[in-house]
Amino acid sequence: QKEVEQNSGPLSVPEGAIASLNCTYSDRGSQSFFWYRQYSGKSPELIMSIYSNGDKEDGRFTAQLNKASQYVSLLIRDSQPSDSATYLCAVKREYGNKLVFGAGTILRVKS
Amino acid sequence: EAQVTQNPRYLITVTGKKLTVTCSQNMNHEYMSWYRQDPGLGLRQIYYSMNVEVTDKGDVPEGYKVSRKEKRNFPLILESPSPNQTSLYFCASSFDSFGTEAFFGQGTRLTVV
Repeated sequence: QKEVEQNSGPLSVPEGAIASLNCTYSDRGSQSFFWYRQYSGKSPELIMSIYSNGDKEDGRFTAQLNKASQYVSLLIRDSQPSDSATYLCAVKREYGNKLVFGAGTILRVKS
Repeated sequence: EAQVTQNPRYLITVTGKKLTVTCSQNMNHEYMSWYRQDPGLGLRQIYYSMNVEVTDKGDVPEGYKVSRKEKRNFPLILESPSPNQTSLYFCASSFDSFGTEAFFGQGTRLTVV
């Protein structure tokens, strides 16, 4: 079992719809969770961080965390073609200063 | 402009020929790290550094070396590259001691033949 698991996709949604990206992790003691966006051929870009159970909203993005279920998600409202990218989930291990990344989910927003 | 700069962006080399990929940040960050990215495996940490002269292994350190003699620079050294080190490499730095990799370099695509 991978430490951080994501569905590789591609996830295809029509423009204007809500895109839902999911991530599960195995280290029950993890406290810090991050979402990165990576356009093709570019470097990852941090878009959201979440540390407490519940929802955290930032513009069109909402991160959701459920530590009991070891589950993190990212919702993108009013999806735009410019949101088409690979979304990486990252979890900081309970011990040590190490981020563990999932392999990413490819999102395609069709106009 | 805040940035992490890697060089070179592209490199093709032969097995066994030592190489260095440079990384420099202009934000006075203490924490820096190196990752490799391979299809289906995501980003995997090679080494990280909490501060000058303080470095530690990540998840895939074999075949790599690093040094941190100055706060702004964190070079990645491949003493004897092998084809399985063909990958896309990213340097990253962060603004807090918890290592939130907020800034990534542009990436270095390395091919070892």
